[in-house]
Amino acid sequence: GQQVMQIPQYQHVQEGEDFTTYCNSSTTLSNIQWYKQRPGGHPVFLIQLVKSGEVKKQKRLTFQFGEAKKNSSLHITATQTTDVGTYFCSQGAQKLVFGQGTRLTINP
Amino acid sequence: DTAVSQTPKYLVTQMGNDKSIKCEQNLGHDTMYWYKQDSKKFLKIMFSYNNKELIINETVPNRFSPKSPDKAHLNLHINSLELGDSAVYFCASSQGGDGLGYTFGSGTRLTVV
Repeated sequence: GQQVMQIPQYQHVQEGEDFTTYCNSSTTLSNIQWYKQRPGGHPVFLIQLVKSGEVKKQKRLTFQFGEAKKNSSLHITATQTTDVGTYFCSQGAQKLVFGQGTRLTINP
Repeated sequence: DTAVSQTPKYLVTQMGNDKSIKCEQNLGHDTMYWYKQDSKKFLKIMFSYNNKELIINETVPNRFSPKSPDKAHLNLHINSLELGDSAVYFCASSQGGDGLGYTFGSGTRLTVV
């Protein structure tokens, strides 16, 4: 399956700061999904993007799919301690191929 | 009601033993999966079943044998456990196989000593 590279691997922010994680592929993707995994928890589906240039928002979270459908980003505005966790991008249909994840920690 | 439930949550066992992990979903999904998450948090698919039929087997050692008695259940049996099998194993399910909205179980943390 197509590989997706996710950066950064770790991000530590002060509460209230913004956070962004990026997902990149060398080939065109048919879709991209984002998941959140809290410490000690399981991945929870956040969203799927399928259209070129698509932008979707969920409260303080903004998801983008690049025009060329080779990259995606997840941006969190004004982080809160409840945002702590590892954010994964993934792509695929019959099977999901996950990025390495970005672990977000927050200083309250 | 838990949508995807796995048992046990924790499993500590000695090398060479055989163990099973059970998974059940009550979402009516057609497809179920086993994923392995290693110590670096990397999530990798192991198996996928659609309506009790194996559709994906990702070069997993023969010691791992999935079994799906019906489309709501997917169990994982592991023979001759090795230290490297220590990981968190997640069961998941989805409807439609279009990548949309996998629901993961809470995971089974397997420790082989």
